[in-house]
Amino acid sequence: EAQVTQNPRYLITVTGKKLTVTCSQNMNHEYMSWYRQDPGLGLRQIYYSMNVEVTDKGDVPEGYKVSRKEKRNFPLILESPSPNQTSLYFCASSLYGQGYNEQFFGPGTRLTVL
Amino acid sequence: AQTVTQSQPEMSVQEAETVTLSCTYDTSESDYYLFWYKQPPSRQMILVIRQEAYKQQNATENRFSVNFQKAAKSFSLKISDSQLGDAAMYFCAYRSSIRGSTLGRLYFGRGTQLTVWP
Repeated sequence: EAQVTQNPRYLITVTGKKLTVTCSQNMNHEYMSWYRQDPGLGLRQIYYSMNVEVTDKGDVPEGYKVSRKEKRNFPLILESPSPNQTSLYFCASSLYGQGYNEQFFGPGTRLTVL
Repeated sequence: AQTVTQSQPEMSVQEAETVTLSCTYDTSESDYYLFWYKQPPSRQMILVIRQEAYKQQNATENRFSVNFQKAAKSFSLKISDSQLGDAAMYFCAYRSSIRGSTLGRLYFGRGTQLTVWP
């Protein structure tokens, strides 16, 4: 089944404790992206990747890191999480960055930083 | 950055009736793509319908159709014969077709929460 998977689905952590949210897609997509969703703000892009080893900042990259060592994986790293990073996070992928291509979303990761 | 505005935070509709969700956007580009996504209580983001700006014909997917007014920068979603399963948060999104730093990025509106009454 074609899908985007994220782990963990739920995470409660404390300020400053490094964490990684994994994202994997099995559709051989080139483009991958991370969004965060906050009430009343919709979804905002954190980072994106056009292909392996090619990543760039989105609208709200502060406090996050990403890497794209393999085409299928695009982990989101929070080196020192803070309470303002409490949010719902989505990973998404599409065949290419440009064009009509549909972005497929993962199931979301609910992160709480205490 | 592109701006997408959904002016209706909440809407409600009776089952089997028709409802229209509004979306406007701000852009200086002539070619772009527009999307409506549905987010049910499961939180999964599901693509409902999409429209290419250079196509004048409005997109239709079963009970879902759009009214795309390019000059007015308006992209409304019409849901006909509403069903209980249509209850969800609906997001309008814009995607540029121009290569550059914003390539591939979806710009989302803040969402419209749709309630369907039996």
